[in-house]
Amino acid sequence: NAGVTQTPKFQVLKTGQSMTLQCAQDMNHNSMYWYRQDPGMGLRLIYYSASEGTTDKGEVPNGYNVSRLNKREFSLRLESAAPSQTSVYFCASRGSGTSAETQYFGPGTRLLVL
Amino acid sequence: GNSVTQMEGPVTLSEEAFLTINCTYTATGYPSLFWYVQYPGEGLQLLLKATKADDKGSNKGFEATYRKETTSFHLEKGSVQVSDSAVYFCALRSGATNKLIFGTGTLLAVQP
Repeated sequence: NAGVTQTPKFQVLKTGQSMTLQCAQDMNHNSMYWYRQDPGMGLRLIYYSASEGTTDKGEVPNGYNVSRLNKREFSLRLESAAPSQTSVYFCASRGSGTSAETQYFGPGTRLLVL
Repeated sequence: GNSVTQMEGPVTLSEEAFLTINCTYTATGYPSLFWYVQYPGEGLQLLLKATKADDKGSNKGFEATYRKETTSFHLEKGSVQVSDSAVYFCALRSGATNKLIFGTGTLLAVQP
C-alpha cells in the first residue's frame, strides 16, 4: 500500500514549455486534490475531483488543467509554464466513511520554471 | 469567507520546552479543524483533528482543543524533541465543500 505517489519529484522547465504532473492513489478514494505550496502562503487548492469523471476549480486554477483519468489517477498539466508557477505541488486524496475527514498527501513535486 | 490564521514562525525551542502554536479561524457553520505536519522534504501528514466544539484532538504528545467561543485551535506539546522539528499547518474543512483551507504554516526548530 503506497498511499499517494507523485512523479516526477523534481523538474526544471523553461518558460513556455509544457509538462504533466502525475498522481496516483491506491486507497480507493473518491476525492483527489492538487495544491501548490509557496513560501508564506501555505497550501492553495488548484483543482479537485470529487469523483471519477468530475473536476472543479479551486482557489488558483489559472494556467493549469487537470484530468481524472480513472479512480486512481489525477494529473495536473501546465500548458505553457511561467516563472510564477515555480512552486512545490502536492496531490492529495480523501476517502469516505470513517476516513472522510482526512486528506492523504503525496511527497510533492518541486518545479522550477526559468 | 473561510480563513485560517496561525502564528508567524520560525519558533525556536530547546529540547523538552513547552510548545504552543496559535491558530484562529473564521468560518461559517461548524467546520472541522486539523493540524498537519510537514517534515523536511516530505508531504503533509495529519497530526490531529477535532470535528466539533470542545473536542480535543491528540497524537504523539500533541494536543489541540476546538474552542468555538474564541474560534481557536491552538497546538500544544508539553516537552518537544528534536524530532518534532517540522512545519505545522492549521487547517479547516467546511462541510459543504469538503475542501481544506490552510494557514500559512509555522516552522518549528528544536535544538538539543
